Amino acid sequence: DVKVTQSSRYLVKRTGEKVFLECVQDMDHENMFWYRQDPGLGLRLIYFSYDVKMKEKGDIPEGYSVSREKKERFSLILESASTNQTSMYLCASGIGSRNGYTFGSGTRLTVV
Amino acid sequence: GENVEQHPSTLSVQEGDSAVIKCTYSDSASNYFPWYKQELGKGPQLIIDIRSNVGEKKDQRIAVTLNKTAKHFSLHITETQPEDSAVYFCAASITGNQFYFGTGTSLTVIP
Repeated sequence: DVKVTQSSRYLVKRTGEKVFLECVQDMDHENMFWYRQDPGLGLRLIYFSYDVKMKEKGDIPEGYSVSREKKERFSLILESASTNQTSMYLCASGIGSRNGYTFGSGTRLTVV
Repeated sequence: GENVEQHPSTLSVQEGDSAVIKCTYSDSASNYFPWYKQELGKGPQLIIDIRSNVGEKKDQRIAVTLNKTAKHFSLHITETQPEDSAVYFCAASITGNQFYFGTGTSLTVIP
């Protein structure tokens, strides 16, 4: 089975800190995605990548950046964390061609 | 871009009864529709999907139907069990790579 591993399950950070969320997949997938999940809003796409060193903005990229230096790793960066970025962050990977995604277990980030 | 609406937001059923979750999409170019189940403390997991050239697909107790003309698709769970309790998300995709998700349905199966 494809495994998507997010480095932290729970994270508490202070306002203004730079925050790194790491995601690693073990099935050589080209496509990787970062979503945030909020009650009543579902899953909203932050950034995605179809290849190493490639990145595309999703629907809510403001306040975030990403890095994909290796195919298996996709990092989400909060440049200066704010309280409105308190959320569940989900990483996903896939091969496209209408085969669905595999999600990680999520990182619940609290910014205080 | 694509807009996916999902209803209801919460659903409670008695064990053994059926549950139906409905989604509509806005872009007629969407051609792939996966459904995800998210259990407490876990990431969403793909449970069934349907492509636009198919009207219905079944997998044991779950089925998905698609009406392209009306631009809606539904998830049907029969003979519900307590372990079906979870949040369910529908999604739509045009490219097969990027998905647009509904807002989720919290299903509770009452023993």
